Amino acid sequence: SQQGEEDPQALSIQEGENATMNCSYKTSINNLQWYRQNSGRGLVHLILIRSNEREKHSGRLRVTLDTSKKSSSLLITASRAADTASYFCALPLYAGKSTFGDGTTLTVKP
Amino acid sequence: NAGVTQTPKFQVLKTGQSMTLQCAQDMNHEYMSWYRQDPGMGLRLIHYSVGAGITDQGEVPNGYNVSRSTTEDFPLRLLSAAPSQTSVYFCASSYPPGLNEQFFGPGTRLTVL
Repeated sequence: SQQGEEDPQALSIQEGENATMNCSYKTSINNLQWYRQNSGRGLVHLILIRSNEREKHSGRLRVTLDTSKKSSSLLITASRAADTASYFCALPLYAGKSTFGDGTTLTVKP
Repeated sequence: NAGVTQTPKFQVLKTGQSMTLQCAQDMNHEYMSWYRQDPGMGLRLIHYSVGAGITDQGEVPNGYNVSRSTTEDFPLRLLSAAPSQTSVYFCASSYPPGLNEQFFGPGTRLTVL
């Protein structure tokens, strides 16, 4: 079934640097969502980008979507230690379900 | 609003025992789902519901039962726990048309010995 695949699996950067993670998928989508999961916690919705949008911003987050390449990227600018978490792309299905990739684990060193 | 709540936070079971994981939401969402997350992996869908009285299977339903008697509650039952069910379980809810963001509970960490 449709599932996003995040890349890289793990990313380690210094505070203040930018972090970029990517998501690729296989079939057409209505929208694509990004979630964050802090260690030991539930997922928190970050941003939703619709199939007719190419770029979307929310604070320090910038998401792009290229439907021709079936890929999306999440950029976190000026990262902070508090951004340390796992990030997942989610492809929503009908009836409120989503499929999730295995995530990118981001470590931001102070 | 409390959002999505789950109880218990932690649970240890012996193989063969049964138990119910509770999930409740106070946002009047019609759609609710149960996922499991194994270490280093994403979420896999166990069961979902599109409204009271309506449930269906997800990707990994074996060994689990659900029911949805009210809009607010969506309990997940483990019929006869097995070590392979050791995982973290998340409940989520969303509103129609079902392509919107999901709201997740804090999770239940289950260990089956």
